[in-house]
Amino acid sequence: AQTVTQSQPEMSVQEAETVTLSCTYDTSESDYYLFWYKQPPSRQMILVIRQEAYKQQNATENRFSVNFQKAAKSFSLKISDSQLGDAAMYFCAYRSYQGAQKLVFGQGTRLTINP
Amino acid sequence: GAGVSQSPSNKVTEKGKDVELRCDPISGHTALYWYRQSLGQGLEFLIYFQGNSAPDKSGLPSDRFSAERTGGSVSTLTIQRTQQEDSAVYLCASSLEGKDTQYFGPGTRLTVL
Repeated sequence: AQTVTQSQPEMSVQEAETVTLSCTYDTSESDYYLFWYKQPPSRQMILVIRQEAYKQQNATENRFSVNFQKAAKSFSLKISDSQLGDAAMYFCAYRSYQGAQKLVFGQGTRLTINP
Repeated sequence: GAGVSQSPSNKVTEKGKDVELRCDPISGHTALYWYRQSLGQGLEFLIYFQGNSAPDKSGLPSDRFSAERTGGSVSTLTIQRTQQEDSAVYLCASSLEGKDTQYFGPGTRLTVL
């Protein structure tokens, strides 16, 4: 079974600075998807960024980018120019390419933005 | 367009009562998922529906939990004889067939007294 680990329960960063959230996973599969979701206090899970494991190029979405290291099974999220609206819980998630369609989530990292 | 909607937003019930939670997926999304988010267990998969295929029920924690999806659209998650450990946020998500990205609703917070 696949597992996802987020080793940072909490992180904080100054507004306009850069922060990196860590995520590692364990799988025996070669093809899969990885995601970062953001959950603000409203509870709505919002997709931040996705990565297909067969693509070597790291995904980017505006101020959000990932560092995907397939051999190391690492998938970190970098937030540049942090904004107050980025404050939320961030979850890393894994999904198999075939077979089980469910998302396997990490424990989450609570990100605080200091003005 | 409209996103995934869930009702009620909050539900308080007494131990032993049955509850029904509703999910309306995004129009045209054939896949629907239920997850549970609790302090002790984090985010857990419960059940997955895809079109007319048999649902994947592998995440349901006990036989008190069941779900159905009528007409390939709306889904209802039913918890019978609720227990205090059922207290959690129940999240629903949907996706297009063959697509990997799941879109989530705002969740239902269930509190069992």
